[in-house]
Amino acid sequence: DTGVSQDPRHKITKRGQNVTFRCDPISEHNRLYWYRQTLGQGPEFLTYFQNEAQLEKSRLLSDRFSAERPKGSFSTLEIQRTEQGDSAMYLCASSSGLAGDEQYFGPGTRLTVT
Amino acid sequence: LAKTTQPISMDSYEGQEVNITCSHNNIATNDYITWYQQFPSQGPRFIIQGYKTKVTNEVASLFIPADRKSSTLSLPRVSLSDTAVYYCLVGDIAGNNRKLIWGLGTSLAVNP
Repeated sequence: DTGVSQDPRHKITKRGQNVTFRCDPISEHNRLYWYRQTLGQGPEFLTYFQNEAQLEKSRLLSDRFSAERPKGSFSTLEIQRTEQGDSAMYLCASSSGLAGDEQYFGPGTRLTVT
Repeated sequence: LAKTTQPISMDSYEGQEVNITCSHNNIATNDYITWYQQFPSQGPRFIIQGYKTKVTNEVASLFIPADRKSSTLSLPRVSLSDTAVYYCLVGDIAGNNRKLIWGLGTSLAVNP
C-alpha cells in the first residue's frame, strides 16, 4: 500500500455513459498525476496538478476527459460519452515535488466499456 | 522530451545479477534518470533515480556514464519476485513540465 487510493477499483459501463473516478493522494503531496495504461503498454500521461492548478494536459486527451482537484486534495477524472477505446487502467500518482520527485502510484481503476 | 530505448524482454535465473540498459541519446542537462518497477495489475513503484555516475540503494544500483546517453539498472541476486516490467524514464524533475514519456519497458522473467 503506497498511501494513494483510487475508487472504484473496477468499473464496467456501457458505451455512451459518463464515468467518474476518484484519487486520494498522500496528504502532504502537492503534485498529482493521472495516467492511462493499456495492456502491454507503459503508462500514458494524461494530466498533472500542482496543488489545485492543472498545469499540464496531454494533447491526446480529448474534450470528453476532464479532471479536477478542488482545494488541492483529492482529484476526480471524468470521462463523458465513453467509447470502447477508453477501456484501460487509469492510474493516479502523487509526489511531494521535493528532491527526486518520486511518484507514488495508486492501485488503479480498471475501466471496461461494453 | 528525451525518448528512451530499452530491451523489450529479458530472461534470468534466481540468484543471478541482472543488468538492464536504457538508451537516452538526447538527454538534456536538467534531466534525471528514474527507474520504476511494475507488477501485473498494480501501479508502478519507484526503484532508483540518478543524475550521473553511480547510485545505490537497498534494492538496486544505477550506473550512468559520463556522457549520460545511457544508463544501466543493476539488480543483484534476483529472485522470482523480481519478475516484473521495468521502466526507464528521463525528465526534468525540477521543472514545471512534468510530462514524462513512459516507453514499453523491459519485461524481466526470473526463472527458478
